[in-house]
Amino acid sequence: EVQLVQSGVEVKKPGESLKISCKGSGYSFTSYWIVWVRQMPGKGLECMGTIYPGDSDTRYSPSFQGQVTLSVDKSISTAYLQWNTLKASDTAMYYCARLDVAGVGSWGQGTLVTVSS
Amino acid sequence: EIVMTQSPATLSVSPGERATLSCRASQSVSSDLAWYQQKPGQAPRLLIYGASTRATGIPARFSGSGSGTEFTLTISSLQSEDFAVYYCQQYNNWPLLAFGGGTKVEIK
Repeated sequence: EVQLVQSGVEVKKPGESLKISCKGSGYSFTSYWIVWVRQMPGKGLECMGTIYPGDSDTRYSPSFQGQVTLSVDKSISTAYLQWNTLKASDTAMYYCARLDVAGVGSWGQGTLVTVSS
Repeated sequence: EIVMTQSPATLSVSPGERATLSCRASQSVSSDLAWYQQKPGQAPRLLIYGASTRATGIPARFSGSGSGTEFTLTISSLQSEDFAVYYCQQYNNWPLLAFGGGTKVEIK
């Protein structure tokens, strides 16, 4: 069974840094792109970017380029989403998911990030 | 950048009735279009890919159609568990994706 397990709830202050994780299991982690999706409170889904664990090839959506960093550690089948300087507007639910040839069939449970002073 | 637009934003439907949701792409995405259902507090679930192919385990009352820039998701007879938010998503620009803004299907 394909599983993506994300790290837990985070509460941070503006200006702090953060790295959240997404551990894949039940499939060949290095063979599928991982996509990160943001969902702000009460809002829709936004693709932040994707990363290929096999060679760390990374693509960012224009709105998120320079704002976040995607990375992977394929030795432990884990993908990461990182911020250097959090803002209140980064408050959201963040999902990782496995990108299949036609759509996103497997999703993590989400990581809720709250940024507040 | 391909922009996906969904309409209506909210659809009020009675149980047992048909629901028709629309999705428009700012440029052709061929048939590289998926639909997702999201319920409160849950991750999205893939319903349709390739514009018209149901994902594994999805009931036959869900159907998708369209190609190019105009797409439709139809729920033939709404069940109580179908009241949710639905998103379209293009993957023509794979591996980058673009989602529509969503349509909330609520009980009339």
